[in-house]
Amino acid sequence: NAGVTQTPKFQVLKTGQSMTLQCAQDMNHEYMSWYRQDPGMGLRLIHYSVGAGITDQGEVPNGYNVSRSTTEDFPLRLLSAAPSQTSVYFCASGGRKNTIYFGEGSWLTVV
Amino acid sequence: AQSVAQPEDQVNVAEGNPLTVKCTYSVSGNPYLFWYVQYPNRGLQFLLKYITGDNLVKGSYGFEAEFNKSQTSFHLKKPSALVSDSALYFCAVRARGSTLGRLYFGRGTQLTVWP
Repeated sequence: NAGVTQTPKFQVLKTGQSMTLQCAQDMNHEYMSWYRQDPGMGLRLIHYSVGAGITDQGEVPNGYNVSRSTTEDFPLRLLSAAPSQTSVYFCASGGRKNTIYFGEGSWLTVV
Repeated sequence: AQSVAQPEDQVNVAEGNPLTVKCTYSVSGNPYLFWYVQYPNRGLQFLLKYITGDNLVKGSYGFEAEFNKSQTSFHLKKPSALVSDSALYFCAVRARGSTLGRLYFGRGTQLTVWP
């Protein structure tokens, strides 16, 4: 009963470092996405994918990179971390029944 | 453009009283509408959705929501609040025909139920 699995749960980075947030889903969903959650801002879409090999930008894509080589995995890469990227990151996936399921979140602090 | 407004940052109710968390939306055409709940340090959990049909939608944990097309609203309700309902609630919308799964979220409403 895994659903959407994100790792790591917590991470502290120094400015300029790079890292990858991992996301995997076991529901054979076509759609996967990454959101960031900041206080008072709700959730904002970073990147999304509608299938393996297909990705597109959301509202706030700058500083992030994604790829979708398999249906199951959708990693989010921070190329050169900045303090403005301190946030909580959520991976989500969805299938044809119009319901999106979220992972438990990754708390990222950039110092 | 699609957008969601949750006009109240906070809602406080006494346990046992009915609760309402408000949501209005703006979308071209007919919408898909969703409510999610987030407990501290957790991910978002799906509560309920409106796709088509009956305007009153029933969901998890005794919650329900009423779709009102003329008022473009989708308010979340529960007849009798519990302390354990205290959490952050998000309304979300997606336009029919738009990219699968591309939801637009409100800013969230913090619900506090006091004993």
